[in-house]
Amino acid sequence: AAGVIQSPRHLIKEKRETATLKCYPIPRHDTVYWYQQGPGQDPQFLISFYEKMQSDKGSIPDRFSAQQFSDYHSELNMSSLELGDSALYFCASSHLGGQGPSYNSPLHFGNGTRLTVT
Amino acid sequence: QQPVQSPQAVILREGEDAVINCSSSKALYSVHWYRQKHGEAPVFLMILLKGGEQKGHEKISASFNEKKQQSSLYLTASQLSYSGTYFCGTRDQTGANNLFFGTGTRLTVIP
Repeated sequence: AAGVIQSPRHLIKEKRETATLKCYPIPRHDTVYWYQQGPGQDPQFLISFYEKMQSDKGSIPDRFSAQQFSDYHSELNMSSLELGDSALYFCASSHLGGQGPSYNSPLHFGNGTRLTVT
Repeated sequence: QQPVQSPQAVILREGEDAVINCSSSKALYSVHWYRQKHGEAPVFLMILLKGGEQKGHEKISASFNEKKQQSSLYLTASQLSYSGTYFCGTRDQTGANNLFFGTGTRLTVIP
């Protein structure tokens, strides 16, 4: 079965540079979530999209932005990178199907992008 | 908004049982449970929707007390493969499309 695909798997950037992370959700999934997980930490919710519209915002810094495109893939853009941005970034998708908030829809996670800022 | 889990860590011998608790300060609509192995993505275990609901998945089951805003994950006759970090994820009743993960419980099963 198709899974959530994230690219790249690993990314090394220097401070103050920019980075773009990509996420391709499972086909027919209409909701995308982004999470940031620092070493030994729990996943922190950044932002979500439903049907290409921003749905909810968590602890996403102003230096970060994200969008979901017409083909449902999503990109997380990170600017003015800081050492503290080094983390594993997960994308997840779920299927809502127009029935309101996806209370009963599980999240399917990609394998993550490991970002290292030096 | 982040739910709190307890204990933070637990070590079990194969065949022993464990309970992981998840507590939120907000009124919840649903609770998810995920397991994450080191360096891997979280994997979905189960969702609980209604107050008092219980669900089972192999030898792993869970309950959700909507009134107390708490959920518990029960692992019985633990196996080595159960090792990992368990996260609860909660959706509150604001209707927002988010899922906030708990603080995590690191479970280690030893032979």
